[in-house]
Amino acid sequence: AQKITQTQPGMFVQEKEAVTLDCTYDTSDPSYGLFWYKQPSSGEMIFLIYQGSYDQQNATEGRYSLNFQKARKSANLVISASQLGDSAMYFCAMREGGKVTGANSKLTFGKGITLSVRP
Amino acid sequence: DSGVTQTPKHLITATGQRVTLRCSPRSGDLSVYWYQQSLDQGLQFLIQYYNGEERAKGNILERFSAQQFPDLHSELNLSSLELGDSALYFCASSVSKGRGYEQYFGPGTRLTVT
Repeated sequence: AQKITQTQPGMFVQEKEAVTLDCTYDTSDPSYGLFWYKQPSSGEMIFLIYQGSYDQQNATEGRYSLNFQKARKSANLVISASQLGDSAMYFCAMREGGKVTGANSKLTFGKGITLSVRP
Repeated sequence: DSGVTQTPKHLITATGQRVTLRCSPRSGDLSVYWYQQSLDQGLQFLIQYYNGEERAKGNILERFSAQQFPDLHSELNLSSLELGDSALYFCASSVSKGRGYEQYFGPGTRLTVT
């Protein structure tokens, strides 16, 4: 079974509007972390936001927020006030297991969602 | 700029050849991860090193090997290359402190096997 599922094939949003990118995950580990990365056409992977499984509040980083619904195992990324530079591929990823100082576990990635921002 | 460096940026080689990809982690990061991104397989974890020791292996082929040196830079060696090895290879390093121990990625090495 896929551990990270991103089913939206492609998303379009008007500049300055908000957009939600969906991510569901599957794990039996009570301790895990969820991450979102952005990959523009240039290819680099840019870390956006992190949510821990025990975090009580949804994570926010500037225009990015993570809508974490633990019972539904979803971790959707919300981008507010979209900008043309937000056009990119977005990946949801999960780290399973608790944090072990300095020896952290791998990330498992979803297939990604393409976001296009229209002027 | 993530602080993780990778060289070379592009590599074109022929089938059967051997190449070495190099990665320098962010200052102070002890963990280095290698990932492969291809159109059919997506982003896949290959191998992790922590302070010079191998910590975890993913879907890494036997033709591939890696090591981490005392100065913490890492090299990924790919041998007997096949067309299917063409991909974007990322190195990432993990912060030593922080909430999520997030991984910061280098710019990647795009390998084309002809």
